[in-house]
Amino acid sequence: EVQLVESGGGLVKPGGSLRLSCAASGFTFSRYAMNWVRQAPGKGLEWVSLISSTSTYIYYADSVKGRFTISRDNAKNSLYLQMNSLRAEDTAVYYCVREFSGYPTSYWGQGTLVTVSS
Amino acid sequence: EIVLTQSPGTLSLSPGERATLSCRASQSVSSSYLAWYQQKPGQAPRLLIYGASSRATGIPHRFSGSGSGTDFTLTISRLEPEDFAVYYCQQFGSSPTTFGGGTKVEIK
Repeated sequence: EVQLVESGGGLVKPGGSLRLSCAASGFTFSRYAMNWVRQAPGKGLEWVSLISSTSTYIYYADSVKGRFTISRDNAKNSLYLQMNSLRAEDTAVYYCVREFSGYPTSYWGQGTLVTVSS
Repeated sequence: EIVLTQSPGTLSLSPGERATLSCRASQSVSSSYLAWYQQKPGQAPRLLIYGASSRATGIPHRFSGSGSGTDFTLTISRLEPEDFAVYYCQQFGSSPTTFGGGTKVEIK
């Protein structure tokens, strides 16, 4: 069974940093691109970042470019999101999502809440 | 980036009624890369439709998707109590992937 479990969320002050982790199991992690998608309270879904299976390709939403860094460790089946210079508007539930594909399955973690507030 | 506009924002219907949700793209989207999700409070989104018209694994037949180009539709033929939720469309054929703003289907 595919499982994605996020951790590392919490309360942080504006300008602070936080590192999210996503532990993957139930599939060959190293074969898939991975995404972070976030959802502000009461709002819609916003794609944040994508990393290819071998970390060769990395993309960011304009809203986080220069502040967030995505990475992965295929030996540990783990995905990360280093978030620096956090702002109030970064407050959201952050989901770890396996690559979007034209297949009949989609895998999302349960999400971890990041709150940026003084 | 491709902007997806969903309408209506809220749909108030009774169980047993038909729901028709619209997703309009700012430019043409390949049908292969158009998906619909259902999200309930406190849960992650669940894939309903992929490739614009194919039901995802385990999705009941009352859910159907259609459309092409810039206009896509999700139809729920007869609403069950568990179908009251928020629905999102997504395109991932053009980078960056984008989501629509969502349609909330609420009990009338």
